[in-house]
Amino acid sequence: EAGVVQSPRYKIIEKKQPVAFWCNPISGHNTLYWYRQNLGQGPELLIRYENEEAVDDSQLPKDRFSAERLKGVDSTLKIQPAELGDSAVYLCASSVTNYEQYFGPGTRLTVT
Amino acid sequence: GENVEQHPSTLSVQEGDSAVIKCTYSDSASNYFPWYKQELGKGPQLIIDIRSNVGEKKDQRIAVTLNKTAKHFSLHITETQPEDSAVYFCAARLDSNYQLIWGAGTKLIIKP
Repeated sequence: EAGVVQSPRYKIIEKKQPVAFWCNPISGHNTLYWYRQNLGQGPELLIRYENEEAVDDSQLPKDRFSAERLKGVDSTLKIQPAELGDSAVYLCASSVTNYEQYFGPGTRLTVT
Repeated sequence: GENVEQHPSTLSVQEGDSAVIKCTYSDSASNYFPWYKQELGKGPQLIIDIRSNVGEKKDQRIAVTLNKTAKHFSLHITETQPEDSAVYFCAARLDSNYQLIWGAGTKLIIKP
């Protein structure tokens, strides 16, 4: 079974530029999560989708972050404009039961 | 809200010895406790989990114990091997919103 796929793996941008991350969850997993992980810390949830509906986006900074999950499969997370403090690893995870979550390799974002 | 504390932050053990990592949580309504292993440059990997109706769970060299009264749970790794070196995260999940609250992580070092 293929795991969660994320791209790109690395991204370096200048502040104020836009950036987008893509995630393809495990086939059949209807729940998709986006997390942000700062160095030396555990992941922090940004948004959770049940199929195409965002059911928990309370921790998504909506002034600059947006996400979508068209057709309830792939998802895109966007930051516009990026700030220096957005440098982190952005992780996507998927789940079929709302218990076990399976993570992708993440996208390491560096904002200069 | 829920808070998860994890100790120690770094653990160094001799190859072949056992390692124990401990976590405490604050919200008695938490009902699911996964443990993740994260290697450098990779996403977290689920290694074992336990639900609140169970006191102990074992999978080969890995075991998790849960004390609901004291609100703490522990990861036990026996016969440690070099490939066990990684950062380990505990987490607790609220039944109300399925959100995982993560500990700060333990860097496990296996000395040859």
